[in-house]
Amino acid sequence: DADVTQTPRNRITKTGKRIMLECSQTKGHDRMYWYRQDPGLGLRLIYYSFDVKDINKGEISDGYSVSRQAQAKFSLSLESAIPNQTALYFCATSDRDNPYNEQFFGPGTRLTVL
Amino acid sequence: GQNIDQPTEMTATEGAIVQINCTYQTSGFNGLFWYQQHAGEAPTFLSYNVLDGLEEKGRFSSFLSRSKGYSYLLLKELQMKDSASYLCAVRDSTGGFKTIFGAGTRLFVKA
Repeated sequence: DADVTQTPRNRITKTGKRIMLECSQTKGHDRMYWYRQDPGLGLRLIYYSFDVKDINKGEISDGYSVSRQAQAKFSLSLESAIPNQTALYFCATSDRDNPYNEQFFGPGTRLTVL
Repeated sequence: GQNIDQPTEMTATEGAIVQINCTYQTSGFNGLFWYQQHAGEAPTFLSYNVLDGLEEKGRFSSFLSRSKGYSYLLLKELQMKDSASYLCAVRDSTGGFKTIFGAGTRLFVKA
């Protein structure tokens, strides 16, 4: 079954460490997104990509970077993690040829920065 | 800029009907989505409205009024498994067709 996967599912790290979260998809979708979710704040867009090599900033890109080297993979990096980056991170995909263009979400990565 | 408002929490009884409202302000409206999210899980797509009116899909219906910046999600014949958060999201054509999510409404269904 075509899917969106994220690794790791849980990660605990220390302030100042570099972290990479990986997202892979077998849906064949061209568009990929990274969100973070915090209690009471909903999903906030960090970065999105509409095709390989296309990178766009979202609402809260400061402190994050991304890489889209292949259509199926979109990775999110925290260059120097800080405690307020503790959150649930979701990757999502969508298909530009789908008239609804709804997003399909991965299972999430729970990140804790101590 | 964009702003999406929805109630924080609602409680309803099994078998009843519940309406979850969403109001939004956006400069380039290009569609409204409702997603369901169970605790600790990923959001899943429920409905999409781009024109005014009611879209019905089984027990769930979604309504849109673009002139009022208003939508609602209607859940009929509530079941315990409908206890979840319901996220209203708006796609905005300005600045790259981003989808902006509201904070979500936590629905508790009681027996």
